[in-house]
Amino acid sequence: RKEVEQDPGPFNVPEGATVAFNCTYSNSASQSFFWYRQDCRKEPKLLMSVYSSGNEDGRFTAQLNRASQYISLLIRDSKLSDSATYLCVVNRAAGNKLTFGGGTRVLVKP
Amino acid sequence: DAGVTQSPTHLIKTRGQQVTLRCSPISGHKSVSWYQQVLGQGPQFIFQYYEKEERGRGNFPDRFSARQFPNYSSELNVNALLLGDSALYLCASSLGAPSTDTQYFGPGTRLTVL
Repeated sequence: RKEVEQDPGPFNVPEGATVAFNCTYSNSASQSFFWYRQDCRKEPKLLMSVYSSGNEDGRFTAQLNRASQYISLLIRDSKLSDSATYLCVVNRAAGNKLTFGGGTRVLVKP
Repeated sequence: DAGVTQSPTHLIKTRGQQVTLRCSPISGHKSVSWYQQVLGQGPQFIFQYYEKEERGRGNFPDRFSARQFPNYSSELNVNALLLGDSALYLCASSLGAPSTDTQYFGPGTRLTVL
C-alpha cells in the first residue's frame, strides 16, 4: 500500500462548478500536510498548508481528518486556470522528507 | 529575488553514463532536497541536506549520491544510468529544516536516458 494515495482522475469540471477530492495517508505519525499544484511539465508549487481546524484560501478549502487519516481539497467556482494536477503531500518530522501522492488531475472545461 | 535554480534544464544520456545535476537554493535557504518524478507519478524523495550534512535518504540505490557545498548549493550525481532513471529531477529549498519550513521547488532537470 502506498503511503499517500490519491484518485488520479481526471475530474472533468464545468467552469463555475465545485469539485472536491480526497487523499489518504497510512502513517499515523505524519505531522504536516500540504496541497501542491503542478501544471503540465512544470514544478510543483505550494497551494496551501492543511491545518487540523481546516483552512480556506479564497476559493480553496482544505480539511484534515486525523482519525480517518485523510485530507480533502475543495475548489469552488472553478476557473479554467484551475486545470492542473493537485498533489497531496505529507511530512513526517522524524523522517524529515515530503511524501507525495500520485496526484489528482483536474480539467475545468467551458 | 531569484527562486530555486537548476541546471541543466534538459539532458540526454545513454545507459551506463554518469550525470551531475546542479541546484542553487533561494538566497538564505540552508536546506536542499532532491526528488525524482517519473512521468505520471508524484515526486519521490531522494536526499535531503541541511547545513551541508545529509539529513535524509530515500529508497534509492547507491548509484545516487549528492552533496551540499558551503554556499548551500547542491549536486546530485547518478552513476551507471539505467533507462528507468529517465525522469524530472526536482530540487527544493527551505529556510531551515524541511520538517518545519515550506519547501520551494526549482523548475527541474529533465533527464532522458537512451
